[in-house]
Parts: sequence; C-alpha cells; structure tokens
Amino acid sequence: EIVMTQSPATLSVSPGETATLSCRASQSVGSSLAWYQQKPGRPPRLLFYGASTRATGIPVRFSATGSGTEFTLTINSLQSEDFAVYYCLHYNYWPYSFGQGTELETK
Amino acid sequence: EVQLVQSGGGLVQPGGSLRLSCAASGFTFSNSWMHWVRQVPGKGLLWVSRINSDGSDTKYADSVKGRFTVSRDNTRNTLYLQMNNLRADDSAVYFCVRRELSENYYDFWGQGILVTVSS
Repeated sequence: EIVMTQSPATLSVSPGETATLSCRASQSVGSSLAWYQQKPGRPPRLLFYGASTRATGIPVRFSATGSGTEFTLTINSLQSEDFAVYYCLHYNYWPYSFGQGTELETK
Repeated sequence: EVQLVQSGGGLVQPGGSLRLSCAASGFTFSNSWMHWVRQVPGKGLLWVSRINSDGSDTKYADSVKGRFTVSRDNTRNTLYLQMNNLRADDSAVYFCVRRELSENYYDFWGQGILVTVSS
C-alpha cells in the first residue's frame, strides 16, 4: 500500500499571502493524484485531479504541480474562505490512500 | 446536478447494526463505481469499501471485512452500507463517494452521516 505524507501538518499564513502545501508518495503514483479541500461539517471538495488539472469552479489562485512522488498545492493571495484542511489522494492503483491532511490556518 | 444524499446514521450500541443509504441523482448511477469513506471527527479520511457498477465486485478495508457489506440497487439509484457487529472505533462520519468514470479519482461526495457506537 502506498503511504501518502503531507507536510506541514499545520500551516499558518496571513490573508493575502501564498501558501505552499506538500504531498509525498512512498512510491511513484505517476500523475494519479488529487487534492481536496475540507471545511468543518462539510464533505471534501475536489480541487485538482491528474496532479495539476483544476476541477470545475476552482479559482485560478489555486495551482498544483508534481508527478511521481512529489506534489505541491499552491494557493496565492489567500482569501478568508481558503482556510481549511487540505488532503491529497493517490488513485494510481488499488488501494487508494489519503494523506493525513494539512490544516491551513490564519496567522 | 450530481447529488448524493445520505441517510440512516445515528446512535447504536456496541454489537448492533445499522444500514446507511446513499441516494444518487443527476448522473447515470448504474455506470459508476461507488465507494464509502469514513472520517473520525477532527481526523483524516479512510477508505472503507467499494463496489463496481453492477454490484458484482466488492472490496473492504481489513478493519471492516466480515462485518460490513456494501450493495447497490441500480433500479433505485441507491447505494447501501450494511454495518453489523459495530464497535466503538467504527464511530465516524461516513461519506458515500462517486469514482469518476474514466480517470478514477473521487469527484462527488455525499454530505456525510454520523455513526456513533456507544452504550
């Protein structure tokens, strides 16, 4: 089973600044990597799939890169609604696995 | 609009049973593989089970194997999770999730439903 490791666990950033979140896979997942945003009491919301393809309705201040084992989610000009928990998911082959999440909090 | 509306959660005693339902609309349910994912409040996401489009193939996490059964009724556009012999560590919010048809990532999630196992 592939282990997905996200860092940092918590990231404190001021509104208007840039946040950079990382996700590392224990072995290559190619580009089969998705990012999700989750707010309290809500289900996860798809942000990216295929490592870098933005999902419908996701603002352009969100971007994602990477392949193989190293992936990055970047959020520019942080807005108040961006403070949430972010998860990566590999879906390269069964079983899928999630990272443990990065909580993005207001500094 | 894709919708996954969940029902059936609640409080149950250890050793008890519960059946979760997930009513799908806005897409061709019978074409989609469906999954269950759970989350202890404040913790991460864990895959529980999955079923293929016609219900002929199912898989389970080791922690629920032999106790949980996933099924579907494509005539009613509904996914089910029968949970038996529940334990305290099964307490979580359960999400039904659609797997995207061609690229296999999770694209739509139900609203989540809380299951609490406690005496």
